[in-house]
Amino acid sequence: QKEVEQDPGPLSVPEGAIVSLNCTYSNSAFQYFMWYRQYSRKGPELLMYTYSSGNKEDGRFTAQVDKSSKYISLFIRDSQPSDSATYLCAMSGGNNRLAFGKGNQVVVIP
Amino acid sequence: GAVVSQHPSWVICKSGTSVKIECRSLDFQATTMFWYRQFPKQSLMLMATSNEGSKATYEQGVEKDKFLINHASLTLSTLTVTSAHPEDSSFYICSAPPQGIGANVLTFGAGSRLTVL
Repeated sequence: QKEVEQDPGPLSVPEGAIVSLNCTYSNSAFQYFMWYRQYSRKGPELLMYTYSSGNKEDGRFTAQVDKSSKYISLFIRDSQPSDSATYLCAMSGGNNRLAFGKGNQVVVIP
Repeated sequence: GAVVSQHPSWVICKSGTSVKIECRSLDFQATTMFWYRQFPKQSLMLMATSNEGSKATYEQGVEKDKFLINHASLTLSTLTVTSAHPEDSSFYICSAPPQGIGANVLTFGAGSRLTVL
């Protein structure tokens, strides 16, 4: 079993829809949870960062962490074509060593 | 703030040659930097941890003699792919923790795409 599971299936949504992404993990030592956005041929950029369980909101983005279920989510409200990218979940136990999911390719159709 | 610059952004080389990729932290010091490798439609795989003033720590399965890492200063780490072969073609990305060890939030460079002919 991989440490982080993220269904890489491409996701196409119409502009304005809510995008829902999620990851599951197996390592109970993970305490830090992140979502990165990666445009084609570019490095990942940090979108959201959460420590331990709970919700965090930043503009149109909401990150949720449920440590009891080992499940994290990212929601994008009012999606825009500029949100089209690959979204990677990442997590760490506190030593800067990040475990990444495979990434979800999201396409927002105008 | 917290910008990581990577150079070159893309490089094409002949099989058997060596290629050097630079990673710089522009506005902060980084005693540690991380080198990742990413294949198309795949996740980032940690290759090694670059430590300023000491030897790099390589992940299991990564050949340290093939992927030479040097971290000579607090703002520069280099990855040299020695005797490159077509199977080394990949997207190499470096990162650094802007707040030092324990921050657990990494800033990534823009990546370097290596194509070995």
